[in-house]
Amino acid sequence: AQSVTQLGSHVSVSEGALVLLRCNYSSSVPPYLFWYVQYPNQGLQLLLKYTSAATLVKGINGFEAEFKKSETSFHLTKPSAHMSDAAEYFCAVGRAAGNKLTFGGGTRVLVKP
Amino acid sequence: NAGVMQNPRHLVRRRGQEARLRCSPMKGHSHVYWYRQLPEEGLKFMVYLQKENIIDESGMPKERFSAEFPKEGPSILRIQQVVRGDSAAYFCASSPEGLRGEQYFGPGTRLTVT
Repeated sequence: AQSVTQLGSHVSVSEGALVLLRCNYSSSVPPYLFWYVQYPNQGLQLLLKYTSAATLVKGINGFEAEFKKSETSFHLTKPSAHMSDAAEYFCAVGRAAGNKLTFGGGTRVLVKP
Repeated sequence: NAGVMQNPRHLVRRRGQEARLRCSPMKGHSHVYWYRQLPEEGLKFMVYLQKENIIDESGMPKERFSAEFPKEGPSILRIQQVVRGDSAAYFCASSPEGLRGEQYFGPGTRLTVT
């Protein structure tokens, strides 16, 4: 069985500050890990994915995430927040293509000017 | 390359009616997934289909819900005799073949049951 825990359902950051969103997973097999972003009333957009290659993964819009097996974590970071980063972010775990994704509860990011 | 398309985007049904949600995957994608997002909750997997086959329906409610992905045409998620608790956003995702196929999501259908 797989599960994902996102610490903090809401995060508030100042524009230009570091964005850090936490994700811990549980998986009985080597996981595939994903971060998605959802803007209001829209679908999910893939930010980045980890599929057992490099542990530091770079995604779109300046985001990156680091896979740490020892900590079962896949935290998402962005060095400098922009107003357009205000959205909800979901961490997800899967096992392979053709397999369902299990999502965390989501973290809503508010960016203050 | 057009993305995943879902229609309608918004659907209002009275209790007891049927809801049909359609999903056209990205070109070249043969895997389709349906997820449901209830208010203030994350996304929950419902069903995974390939052409003409249901591969995993472990997340589907036992009654009133069904899904298909015919040889021709879009995937359909059907909800019979809707109840207020079915009000949610329903998202379809598709993925290509291969071991590293990430899922691409459509814009969703927001179902409101009155």
